[in-house]
Amino acid sequence: QQQVKQSPQSLIVQKGGISIINCAYENTAFDYFPWYQQFPGKGPALLIAIRPDVSEKKEGRFTISFNKSAKQFSLHIMDSQPGDSATYFCAASGVEAAGNKLTFGGGTRVLVKP
Amino acid sequence: DAMVIQNPRYQVTQFGKPVTLSCSQTLNHNVMYWYQQKSSQAPKLLFHYYDKDFNNEADTPDNFQSRRPNTSFCFLDIRSPGLGDAAMYLCATSRVIGLSYEQYFGPGTRLTVT
Repeated sequence: QQQVKQSPQSLIVQKGGISIINCAYENTAFDYFPWYQQFPGKGPALLIAIRPDVSEKKEGRFTISFNKSAKQFSLHIMDSQPGDSATYFCAASGVEAAGNKLTFGGGTRVLVKP
Repeated sequence: DAMVIQNPRYQVTQFGKPVTLSCSQTLNHNVMYWYQQKSSQAPKLLFHYYDKDFNNEADTPDNFQSRRPNTSFCFLDIRSPGLGDAAMYLCATSRVIGLSYEQYFGPGTRLTVT
């Protein structure tokens, strides 16, 4: 099964708070896990990505935590800002995926209240 | 700098009238993808070109076709658009080299079918 399950579907957080989005995958051949940020009417933008050889990756206010044994990974948005209000998609890929095909999660709509 | 360019950004077509969407890239990536994205859903891969090799997803309707005349350009043809084909169409590119899996998306073309 090639699914990536993402939760929650939507999230409301106060400015300055922490947004946490979780994803779980089934295919153990996946070895690349990106997160995309999408604003309304725009294409998804690559935000941050991680490989299974590390348990955490941080870029600015965005951190990916990765648990290989549990086949789960999560995105933490620290000090959330109204400009972070967007839909976030997790995804997964691997060497077996022809042409670097991505398997997407269902998306999480994040609203940061001022 | 624009890297993945899609034209037009908005396209209105009539039911059953063929329409072509275009994508160009300045990244010299060897893989180009077409996705369909409907409201509040994740992007759905229609097909991709790995160099000149065309790879169709099993559930992509025959109504959707694609052409890649050269490395930089890729076209999505919808032969007889139905109301259910109204969506955002996203082009993405990737460079298959080693363990590099990053996909970069264009801004999308919003297709309306009247």
